[in-house]
Amino acid sequence: NAGVTQTPKFRVLKTGQSMTLLCAQDMNHEYMYWYRQDPGMGLRLIHYSVGEGTTAKGEVPDGYNVSRLKKQNFLLGLESAAPSQTSVYFCASSYVGSGDPYNEQFFGPGTRLTVL
Amino acid sequence: QQPVQSPQAVILREGEDAVINCSSSKALYSVHWYRQKHGEAPVFLMILLKGGEQKGHDKISASFNEKKQQSSLYLTASQLSYSGTYFCGTAKTSYDKVIFGPGTSLSVIP
Repeated sequence: NAGVTQTPKFRVLKTGQSMTLLCAQDMNHEYMYWYRQDPGMGLRLIHYSVGEGTTAKGEVPDGYNVSRLKKQNFLLGLESAAPSQTSVYFCASSYVGSGDPYNEQFFGPGTRLTVL
Repeated sequence: QQPVQSPQAVILREGEDAVINCSSSKALYSVHWYRQKHGEAPVFLMILLKGGEQKGHDKISASFNEKKQQSSLYLTASQLSYSGTYFCGTAKTSYDKVIFGPGTSLSVIP
């Protein structure tokens, strides 16, 4: 039982390049999330998904796209990377939504992305 | 809208108590608390739902005052292992997404 895994762990991109971050969970969770973490800003929600085939925008969705083709995977894409997207990206998953007393988000180890 | 956390940072000696506050200008349905140690992923502590309940987790407890739209996290007799950044997350309804605050850095020294 690996929990939530993220690939890659580190990546350096040049401005304008594209890449995809992969998140996988083996807990059969319905909900999945992508956050970015910057110093002093906390965790900011980029996009999230409430089930296979569904996605929704979070607080800071511009410049990112996501897909949830399989229940266990949630992909985050950067089509044309910019220096402002330098950050640590965390993926998380939960079995139920925010209003449920058993809502607990399980986070992956993070991906450190630098855009030059 | 991001919740506000206070203080931004706090330094404690082992055995001292601390309170971290989380407030919102909007009516809240739930408050979620997480702790993140340096270089690691955030870890869930507890969730409080609308109703003003209080919860405990070892020597860490929390309350939720829905009238004030505020939650407080209480750390009693702090241990070195309590060091980290504490995040509160809030949701306005039972189906809303959770929005996290900027975090409170807590350092416990011997």
